[in-house]
Amino acid sequence: QQPVQSPQAVILREGEDAVINCSSSKALYSVHWYRQKHGEAPVFLMILLKGGEQMRHEKISASFNEKKQQSSLYLTASQLSYSGTYFCGTGYKLSFGAGTTVTVRA
Amino acid sequence: NAGVTQTPKFQVLKTGQSMTLQCAQDMNHEYMSWYRQDPGMGLRLIHYSVGAGITDQGEVPNGYNVSRSTTEDFPLRLLSAAPSQTSVYFCASSYRDGGLYGYTFGSGTRLTVV
Repeated sequence: QQPVQSPQAVILREGEDAVINCSSSKALYSVHWYRQKHGEAPVFLMILLKGGEQMRHEKISASFNEKKQQSSLYLTASQLSYSGTYFCGTGYKLSFGAGTTVTVRA
Repeated sequence: NAGVTQTPKFQVLKTGQSMTLQCAQDMNHEYMSWYRQDPGMGLRLIHYSVGAGITDQGEVPNGYNVSRSTTEDFPLRLLSAAPSQTSVYFCASSYRDGGLYGYTFGSGTRLTVV
């Protein structure tokens, strides 16, 4: 079953912050985060494991709330290069959410 | 170290034709999978393999076959193409199955069925 991402889209100005949420109806033991630029392949950002610590990729960090069965991705002080579609993936065979499109403007 | 290589990058098929999408990885990853990506629907799993000789179905397997004779290669076969199979197809690989390791994706094959 696919996880649910919110919001569907977000528009930011450089330097602003944003949060993307990923929720599952099933118990989570790991959550993946990927970013896909237009016309390119998804690129792995980070993985959060049950009981593990918060992870970080550049100024992008993520947390994992096991009780809420939810993960959040934090885009801090956004840069133009952060634009793209962000996907979370969960489960043994990795089901992906529908994605969150992030547009960062100068 | 090329990572995950997919061929072809673009393909146009007529309804009813068959074809094979190729996927090869040189990272000695045990786990490989195929996804299709349609607008607004994210990535949906078609088939996956946890090692040579072992394959299984994902969320949307109908109309597709796979085999895994070597660790490196995981081809996806379209048996009789239909317009509903128009999509972008991504092959991915990972060190192991179970969702505990990051996936490396190929650059994708954009398929149009007319």
